[in-house]
Order: sequence, then C-alpha cells, then structure tokens
Amino acid sequence: DAGVTQSPTHLIKTRGQHVTLRCSPISGHKSVSWYQQVLGQGPQFIFQYYEKEERGRGNFPDRFSARQFPNYSSELNVNALLLGDSALYLCASSWQGSGQPQHFGDGTRLSIL
Amino acid sequence: GESVGLHLPTLSVQEGDNSIINCAYSNSASDYFIWYKQESGKGPQFIIDIRSNMDKRQGQRVTVLLNKTVKHLSLQIAATQPGDSAVYFCAEGSQGGSEKLVFGKGTKLTVNP
Repeated sequence: DAGVTQSPTHLIKTRGQHVTLRCSPISGHKSVSWYQQVLGQGPQFIFQYYEKEERGRGNFPDRFSARQFPNYSSELNVNALLLGDSALYLCASSWQGSGQPQHFGDGTRLSIL
Repeated sequence: GESVGLHLPTLSVQEGDNSIINCAYSNSASDYFIWYKQESGKGPQFIIDIRSNMDKRQGQRVTVLLNKTVKHLSLQIAATQPGDSAVYFCAEGSQGGSEKLVFGKGTKLTVNP
C-alpha cells in the first residue's frame, strides 16, 4: 500500500511569492496534519484537518492556510513567503485523529531566496 | 510552556549493543507518546507509541518505558544494527481533541560496525 505522498519534493521560491504544497494520505486515513521542520530541529505542528474540518492550529501566522478535500487529500498554502519559511514541510495522516499513530510523508523541501 | 526535550543530543554505540534514548516531557496533561526515527532526506518513521495508562510497551527489538511520576520517556533498542543509525524523536500528544504532536529536538544515534 502507498504511504503518505507529498508533492513537489523540492521547491525554490523568492520572498513575497506564494506556494501550494500537496499531500495524499494513506488510503483509509481521514486525518491529515501539517508540520514544519527547520534544519536541526523537530517538526513543529501547523494544522490538523479531520473529515475536512480544521481540528487544530499551531502558532503560525495567518499567511499559512490549509484545506482538506472530499478525498481526504490536503493542501498547505503559504502567502508572502519570508526567508524564515525555508524548511521541510511534512504531511502526516492517521486513521481517525488524536491518539493514533501519525504516518509521515518524506516532505517538501522549500527554499526561499 | 510546552516542551519535549532529550537528555543526550548524540549517542554512539557498537553494533550488537543495546541503545537507550531518553526524553523528558513537561506537559503533565499529555497522555499519548510516540517515538519516530528519521533518516537523512526522509520523513519521520513511526516506531512505537504508548498511552498514559501503560508503563511499558514492547515491539520488535524496541521497548518504550513511560514514567509519569518524573515525566520521563525512554526508547530501548536491542541488538542495535547499523541500519538503526538515524535521528530519533520523541513526541507527546493527547488522545482527545487535536492531533497535535509536540516534538523534541532529537537524538542522533550512530551505530559503529
């Protein structure tokens, strides 16, 4: 069975631009979460969506937004990119949300020039 | 505030030895804990989880111990192999509400042949 898939794998943008990252969860998983991982640190929670509704939001500015589609795939959008947004963006899925193991994709490496 | 920390940022062991990776957490309300392994260029890979109603849980070559009194978590890897070399993260969460996981900075495990 396919794991969590994310696209693109790498992306280079310039300051002020907008980016959309995509995630397909494991088949049957209804919950998707997004994390930002800066080099040398652990992942930091951005959003969680379950059954297309936002279930949680981390301490990130409003430039970050996300949504979940009827097929449970998800998009993370970041507007007005800053140099500090350079990071690995990870998507994780689980069957039904909290208290279940989250399974991660290999992420999108975003570089801001 | 929230924090999940690791006592040792690096750990070097000989192949065949047992490894112990420690983790301290600060949020006494957390009732779900999980260990991940992250290899270079990949997303975190689920190893094992434990709920707060348990003190110990075993998997294949791995054991997680939870001491709620001192808010301490450990991961034991038996007969460590070169393929176990990676960064290991502990994370804490809740079984209700948001799926948010709080990660520590990670411990880099190096297994010498």
